[in-house]
Amino acid sequence: SQQGEEDPQALSIQEGENATMNCSYKTSINNLQWYRQNSGRGLVHLILIRSNEREKHSGRLRVTLDTSKKSSSLLITASRAADTASYFCATDERNAGGTSYGKLTFGQGTILTVHP
Amino acid sequence: DAGVIQSPRHEVTEMGQEVTLRCKPISGHNSLFWYRQTMMRGLELLIYFNNNVPIDDSGMPEDRFSAKMPNASFSTLKIQPSEPRDSAVYFCASSLWGQRETQYFGPGTRLLVL
Repeated sequence: SQQGEEDPQALSIQEGENATMNCSYKTSINNLQWYRQNSGRGLVHLILIRSNEREKHSGRLRVTLDTSKKSSSLLITASRAADTASYFCATDERNAGGTSYGKLTFGQGTILTVHP
Repeated sequence: DAGVIQSPRHEVTEMGQEVTLRCKPISGHNSLFWYRQTMMRGLELLIYFNNNVPIDDSGMPEDRFSAKMPNASFSTLKIQPSEPRDSAVYFCASSLWGQRETQYFGPGTRLLVL
């Protein structure tokens, strides 16, 4: 099963509205990050939040992390048609020794559609 | 500076044929990752390299899949023989080893095996 699972699977909003996507994971992590994928393209890194952080901002993006609930959320404020894409969370798992396995596990993604 | 370069962008082949996908990472990056993306299974890590050495190939589905990185600027993913269930988009990504949580993806190779 996927380490990271996004919710909802699809989200459709109007331009100017906020979009919130959630991600749940199962194991201990060093960090969690969000990537965007436009149709037919590769993934683009958006933002990283470390396990000792609770909230992080980057432009119109706001990410929260709750390690007790093993969940994260991505908020895109004042959405634009250009934000239409799939959004994936990815986790960097922590091994028993407290270090990274050195690889990311991606969720299934949320498809965001922003209507002009 | 050029990003990660993959070739070909599209590949259509018949079952049983050998397929070779190519990747040129970002100059200076010392980690390279091969992923496969399908609707059913999402994005799966197949194998990754550090300093041209394979670190973890546990995601490689079968012996039909093999990957090499002969130097820091080139990697291949080979499927021999190919099967229809191998149809997917294959991505290559690169990063600095110390920042491997931040990966830079290529545009992908869309493979269709008939």
